[in-house]
Amino acid sequence: DAMVIQNPRYQVTQFGKPVTLSCSQTLNHNVMYWYQQKSSQAPKLLFHYYDKDFNNEADTPDNFQSRRPNTSFCFLDIRSPGLGDAAMYLCATSRTAGTTYEQYFGPGTRLTVT
Amino acid sequence: GQQVMQIPQYQHVQEGEDFTTYCNSSTTLSNIQWYKQRPGGHPVFLIQLVKSGEVKKQKRLTFQFGEAKKNSSLHITATQTTDVGTYFCAGGQGAQKLVFGQGTRLTINP
Repeated sequence: DAMVIQNPRYQVTQFGKPVTLSCSQTLNHNVMYWYQQKSSQAPKLLFHYYDKDFNNEADTPDNFQSRRPNTSFCFLDIRSPGLGDAAMYLCATSRTAGTTYEQYFGPGTRLTVT
Repeated sequence: GQQVMQIPQYQHVQEGEDFTTYCNSSTTLSNIQWYKQRPGGHPVFLIQLVKSGEVKKQKRLTFQFGEAKKNSSLHITATQTTDVGTYFCAGGQGAQKLVFGQGTRLTINP
């Protein structure tokens, strides 16, 4: 049973054309994360939601935005994709109760910018 | 900010040989987690260590957390082709965030 679902799995967009990636979860977890992972690199945290509270990483470009309309869904919006934004985008979820819990990752969306 | 360094970056072994990856943090960690990412896949949680000096085993995998809670290691005994992938350590930062190491990519010659 899929627990963290990402759509689409592959996305091709043109330079400068806005794109939205989606993530949904069936785990009812409080926390949802968006990571960017480039080839042979570690996942880089862009931002996360703790319930409805949005937490942006200091080095996340303004070009990246996120929305979480309810517990189950979270979106990543890239307003004006550049060639450097081509990467795998991973959504993850976790519970939280005062200590760090394991994160459950979705399969990722591979973004190509042409 | 907190940094988590992981070595080696790459490791190639013959099937049946052992493998170890090491993780070091610039600051004391509240906990450390280990993830495995198969080629073309996504990170999958392996284990979490919380206590100073903790050692946990999962079949052929042995995980250690240093006494000072600044370093950790993953050791695989007698590697198999199914162990291929990239192993990431990730240090707990506060209650919600992980800081990932650069990962160690393991390849195996059958």
